[in-house]
Amino acid sequence: GQSLEQPSEVTAVEGAIVQINCTYQTSGFYGLSWYQQHDGGAPTFLSYNALDGLEETGRFSSFLSRSDSYGYLLLQELQMKDSASYFCALTGGSGNTGKLIFGQGTTLQVKP
Amino acid sequence: SQTIHQWPATLVQPVGSPLSLECTVEGTSNPNLYWYRQAAGRGLQLLFYSVGIGQISSEVPQNLSASRPQDRQFILSSKKLLLSDSGFYLCAWSASRRETQYFGPGTRLLVL
Repeated sequence: GQSLEQPSEVTAVEGAIVQINCTYQTSGFYGLSWYQQHDGGAPTFLSYNALDGLEETGRFSSFLSRSDSYGYLLLQELQMKDSASYFCALTGGSGNTGKLIFGQGTTLQVKP
Repeated sequence: SQTIHQWPATLVQPVGSPLSLECTVEGTSNPNLYWYRQAAGRGLQLLFYSVGIGQISSEVPQNLSASRPQDRQFILSSKKLLLSDSGFYLCAWSASRRETQYFGPGTRLLVL
């Protein structure tokens, strides 16, 4: 089967940099996605890694290492509005329909 | 650009009543469509996916069904709601099974 693990909570201060790690177990997948979800809202797409390496989108970067079964989301210049839950998700691999397998989410609290 | 709509935004229904939630996508053709459910404080669980009109696959045996009457329309239904059907229902689309998914705003369902 497929499974992902992420820390349940992370706390950081405004203006700092925070890294949210995601380790996974899978027999195959197309890519690793990251989503942000504020309380009461729907998940919004942040970043997608189909290949190993770093993807940068503004203050957010995501990294994937298939050999290490590991990825992370890096948030720079933290703002109070970044307080939310962050999910990593695998896009299903061979024989799969492309369904997303989600981690349980990391709650990020940004403090002043 | 592509947009995804869901309605209603919130719904309160009595146990045993029927359900119909609608999802439509604009700005793309032949998308893959997905229905997810999220229980409070938890990750997302895939319920149904569709790769084309009339093609529905179920991930989890349950009290719900799905239909895709048009290319960009995906409907989630139930004949008789259970208390356990309460949750946050999210529709998502992707351009292909290899690519990441984008979520609609969701429908919050409370069954009493």
